[in-house]
Formats: sequence, C-alpha cells, structure tokens
Amino acid sequence: TQLLEQSPQFLSIQEGENLTVYCNSSSVFSSLQWYRQEPGEGPVLLVTVVTGGEVKKLKRLTFQFGDARKDSSLHITAAQPGDTGLYLCAGAGGGSNYKLTFGKGTLLTVNP
Amino acid sequence: KAGVTQTPRYLIKTRGQQVTLSCSPISGHRSVSWYQQTPGQGLQFLFEYFSETQRNKGNFPGRFSGRQFSNSRSEMNVSTLELGDSALYLCASSPTGTVYYGYTFGSGTRLTVV
Repeated sequence: TQLLEQSPQFLSIQEGENLTVYCNSSSVFSSLQWYRQEPGEGPVLLVTVVTGGEVKKLKRLTFQFGDARKDSSLHITAAQPGDTGLYLCAGAGGGSNYKLTFGKGTLLTVNP
Repeated sequence: KAGVTQTPRYLIKTRGQQVTLSCSPISGHRSVSWYQQTPGQGLQFLFEYFSETQRNKGNFPGRFSGRQFSNSRSEMNVSTLELGDSALYLCASSPTGTVYYGYTFGSGTRLTVV
C-alpha cells in the first residue's frame, strides 16, 4: 500500500512569512500533484510534477519533486491571507494510473 | 466551460437508508472517479469509471457501488447507511482516463448520517 506523509499537519503564520510543506513516501510515483482545498469546496489542482528533481514556480509558490520521485515540497514566499486553505499532495502510479494516493493535508492559516 | 457538477450539495440520511449521489463531468471527459473525504482518513479512492466500465475500485465494502452512463455522467450509491459513512463525497473527471496530469474535482456532496 502506498502512503504519502504530509508535514506539518497544521501551520498558522503571519502575513509576509515564508513556509514549506513536505510530502514524503517510501514509494516511487510517476507524477505528484499538489491541490488546494477551501472549506466546502473540492480540491483545485495547483501543479503536477513528473520528472525527478523538477522545480516548478507558480507566482509565490515553488514546487519541487525529489530526485528519486518519492517526495515533494511546496514553498510559499511572503504568504498572504488568500493562501489560507488545505494543501494536499497526491501521487499517481505504482501499478495504477487510474487513482491518486493522497496525503492527509496541511491546513494553512495566514493571519493578517 | 462548465466544471464538474455534483448533486445534491448536502444530504441528511438516517442509518439503514440508502443514498444516490450524482456527478456530471466536464464535457468531453470520459473518466469519472469518486473519493470519500473524512477528517480522520483524508481522501480515499472509491472507484473510477471510463466509458461505462469500472476500471479500478478502492477498499470499501460492497455497500458502495457506482455506475457510469453513456453520456459519462456517473452515480454512486451507498446502501444500508452507517454513521461512519458521514463524509464529503468528491467526484473528479479527467479527459484521458489517467491521473498522470491531475483531476478536476467537483464541489462535493456533504452526506450526514444520523
């Protein structure tokens, strides 16, 4: 069974601070995705990383896929209240291309 | 273009009843997947359909079932509801049928079993 461990589980910071969320597994994934979910809504895809060592930037968000394709990180620079939400990592692969394995999420609160 | 539409948004049912949830994928998307989200377990895969065929099923009891119609719309059914079935049920669609590049999720159906 593939598992994705996310840390930290909760994060409360002040506006303007930087933060990093980690997603780790002992399994290799063919791709890894990051989603953000707001209360009462479904997750929204932020980015997909597919190559070991890949780094993608989305404005103030930087996503990195580990060289061995077992781990990933999300770094947010100068966090804003609008970044508040549940951040989920999800891995694809491991014998099935038809389902994602999700981490349990990091609940981020950015205080003004 | 319209996103993934799930109905109803909220549902309250009594233990022992059954429930049917509906999902309309993005136009042209032929793959529909269902996930259950709870605070304790996070998002867990239920099943995936492509062109009316179930290709993958998660580790849920047989009380959970689904189907897909020729227009790609999908329904999931839960029979003999238990309190532990209370959750947010999410439907997701993708164009190619693989999850390699990610899904588009609906807003979910919040099911409460009392």
